[in-house]
Amino acid sequence: GAGVSQSPSNKVTEKGKDVELRCDPISGHTALYWYRQSLGQGLEFLIYFQGNSAPDKSGLPSDRFSAERTGGSVSTLTIQRTQQEDSAVYLCASSGQGVYNEQFFGPGTRLTVL
Amino acid sequence: GDSVTQMEGPVTLSEEAFLTINCTYTATGYPSLFWYVQYPGEGLQLLLKATKADDKGSNKGFEATYRKETTSFHLEKGSVQVSDSAVYFCALSDVQTGANNLFFGTGTRLTVIP
Repeated sequence: GAGVSQSPSNKVTEKGKDVELRCDPISGHTALYWYRQSLGQGLEFLIYFQGNSAPDKSGLPSDRFSAERTGGSVSTLTIQRTQQEDSAVYLCASSGQGVYNEQFFGPGTRLTVL
Repeated sequence: GDSVTQMEGPVTLSEEAFLTINCTYTATGYPSLFWYVQYPGEGLQLLLKATKADDKGSNKGFEATYRKETTSFHLEKGSVQVSDSAVYFCALSDVQTGANNLFFGTGTRLTVIP
């Protein structure tokens, strides 16, 4: 596709359940980022993948959060034992080679934990 | 650490009014600076960027100048339109320190009334 896609667009889950969020980056983009947008916290960086290098996980808020990127393309963000404070919009972005590359964002997944 | 502080808003202006949204930053290295915009119901889009001191980014009538002496990157537009109603985010990327992710301000909601 032409842009970054994310699925599902909305997810409602019960506290304590695990959820998986998916991101399809722009074809050919080597870098992939996950961010979280929540009320009161703004936009927070979660994790960054670049090619085959080890991911930068410095933004993950707890060990309940993990992410994978298979084959250098699709990424899945997993939240285990969800808590109400995990409710937010989860945004994925990708960018190409180079130092100052623009990050292209997907439409996000709105997660609501009841 | 790196951070961005921007005017909180919301900001309400009449059509054709002058817009300024203030943004200041703190960075360890020499960051690149960005303004992203989120129109209602849409994903984040890059509006403009500047990669070094005294650079001016511009797009769609918006401008921002990278001021190292005041660590600022204020967004301006001479005459706003109703279609400019959106949330605006100031952001920085400090790749020289190895941080490829974006640090965002909290966002400023702009509403332009006819």
